[in-house]
Amino acid sequence: DVKVTQSSRYLVKRTGEKVFLECVQDMDHENMFWYRQDPGLGLRLIYFSYDVKMKEKGDIPEGYSVSREKKERFSLILESASTNQTSMYLCASSLEGPRAQHFGDGTRLSIL
Amino acid sequence: AQSVTQPDIHITVSEGASLELRCNYSYGATPYLFWYVQSPGQGLQLLLKYFSGDTLVQGIKGFEAEFKRSQSSFNLRKPSVHWSDAAEYFCAVLPNEKLTFGTGTRLTIIP
Repeated sequence: DVKVTQSSRYLVKRTGEKVFLECVQDMDHENMFWYRQDPGLGLRLIYFSYDVKMKEKGDIPEGYSVSREKKERFSLILESASTNQTSMYLCASSLEGPRAQHFGDGTRLSIL
Repeated sequence: AQSVTQPDIHITVSEGASLELRCNYSYGATPYLFWYVQSPGQGLQLLLKYFSGDTLVQGIKGFEAEFKRSQSSFNLRKPSVHWSDAAEYFCAVLPNEKLTFGTGTRLTIIP
């Protein structure tokens, strides 16, 4: 089975901090994605990557950046955390573009 | 505007009863269609997908979905729900290169 591992299930940070959310997949997938999930809004795409060193903005990239130095690892970075970035963050990977994505269990991030 | 709509925020059904969760989309051409389930505290799991062909799609956990082009719908069904089906269900569409999710339907199962 595909395993997508997010390094933290719960994280509490302070406003202004630089925050790193890590995601690792073990199936040699080319494609990786970061979403945030908020009640009543569903999942919204932040960034995605179809190859190492490659990144594309999703629908809500403002306030975020990403890093993909290795194929299996895709990091989401909050450059200067703000309270409106308190949310559940989900990482996903796939073999065939954006289709059939496999999700991690999520990181619930609270910014105080 | 292009969108995917799940009109029911919360549905409650009795264990053993049938279930139908609604999903409508608004795109010019038929996109790829998906249903995902999210159990409490977990990520999303793909239940089923429709790309083309037979409009009745079978998925995991006894779920099925029917694509109706005339209604721009892709409703999820299960003939008899189990307590373990309590979760949040997301419809998603892929009109281009970005997967777009509905806002979700929370399913509660009562004994």
